[in-house]
Amino acid sequence: ETGVTQTPRHLVMGMTNKKSLKCEQHLGHNAMYWYKQSAKKPLELMFVYSLEERVENNSVPSRFSPECPNSSHLFLHLHTLQPEDSALYLCASSQDAGGGLYGYTFGSGTRLTVV
Amino acid sequence: AQTVTQSQPEMSVQEAETVTLSCTYDTSESDYYLFWYKQPPSRQMILVIRQEAYKQQNATENRFSVNFQKAAKSFSLKISDSQLGDAAMYFCAYRPPLGETSGSRLTFGEGTQLTVNP
Repeated sequence: ETGVTQTPRHLVMGMTNKKSLKCEQHLGHNAMYWYKQSAKKPLELMFVYSLEERVENNSVPSRFSPECPNSSHLFLHLHTLQPEDSALYLCASSQDAGGGLYGYTFGSGTRLTVV
Repeated sequence: AQTVTQSQPEMSVQEAETVTLSCTYDTSESDYYLFWYKQPPSRQMILVIRQEAYKQQNATENRFSVNFQKAAKSFSLKISDSQLGDAAMYFCAYRPPLGETSGSRLTFGEGTQLTVNP
């Protein structure tokens, strides 16, 4: 049991599709994050939510739309993606939006392929 | 802005031997936190070890230890008695001091892919 669960594990979508990634944590954490991990590149922070409020958006294109209905759930809605958006999308949580004293707890990611 | 540099994209070690992964960072802060994460093929990032900058003693977790050189802004990870299960991508990460409201996220290095040879 990782504490942070991401679904689906793999996703293949066409450029005109609409899909959503889901993240769920039962650790009592107050902050949740979306990261993009591409080959040969550092992790890219996309969005940060603290107590269900978006506190950071790192110039992410509007074709990525996050949603945090409560402190345990985080979604990433995808539409009209481009092939360069293919990557591993990681969700993480922490005690607070600063990363907490113990850093993040990560999910296993969703491997997204845009065709 | 803080930066974290891992200068070794790939490393390899023989099983049962010791390997050291390098990490340097840039910050003007005096009180911060450093982390090493491991990402095996299962893809889940797992916290390996953490260090508070105000503590001079190097952190140790079983076979994993760090060499924290604050003045040099260096934070290397030593894995002793390497095991096949240690094969993974290792990420170094920096966290600014508590209480910062902006830029207070973990900054990650580019990672080091560790191979353990039987």
